[in-house]
Amino acid sequence: AQSVTQLDSQVPVFEEAPVELRCNYSSSVSVYLFWYVQYPNQGLQLLLKYLSGSTLVKGINGFEAEFNKSQTSFHLRKPSVHISDTAEYFCAVSVRTAGGYNKLIFGAGTRLAVHP
Amino acid sequence: SAVISQKPSRDICQRGTSLTIQCQVDSQVTMMFWYRQQPGQSLTLIATANQGSEATYESGFVIDKFPISRPNLTFSTLTVSNMSPEDSSIYLCSVDRQGRETQYFGPGTRLLVL
Repeated sequence: AQSVTQLDSQVPVFEEAPVELRCNYSSSVSVYLFWYVQYPNQGLQLLLKYLSGSTLVKGINGFEAEFNKSQTSFHLRKPSVHISDTAEYFCAVSVRTAGGYNKLIFGAGTRLAVHP
Repeated sequence: SAVISQKPSRDICQRGTSLTIQCQVDSQVTMMFWYRQQPGQSLTLIATANQGSEATYESGFVIDKFPISRPNLTFSTLTVSNMSPEDSSIYLCSVDRQGRETQYFGPGTRLLVL
């Protein structure tokens, strides 16, 4: 069965520093991979996704992620974070079901705390 | 993307009662999904709703506890029945778009059961 592991539950970082949020997945088939962000008291917003093609994916708010098939990883990076990036970040893998639709399996989440 | 609204945005309920959450999308979609996010936890899929057929429930979730309706291609409801404090969570709906591989989420309904 597919699963997603986010290796860090919390990541503290200073403003303008680079950050990497780690995500590993397990799957025996081709996958679609996603990063979502959840700001306090809000729903989930799609940051970026990997479906196929270039392994380096760029998303909103200056974030990017690299798909590494050999290491089954999809780590999220930003070269310089802002206070406003403080949020919960979820990595997810899309799984094809017998019913013909895709459902998402989420990691446990990583809380990014940006300090001045 | 998609514009998704949920009602209510939050509620406080007494144990033993039921709450129906509405999810409205700005355009027709094939599948709608309902997730639960318990306090400090990740998201877990409750069920998938396809218009014109019964919802498909994930392991650990049953129709008697979480009945779902999907009367048309832009609307769905999730009812949390006979609530207990353990049902206190954020309930989110989502829809799939584009090639059906991408899901977009509503703002969530924050439920507190006393």
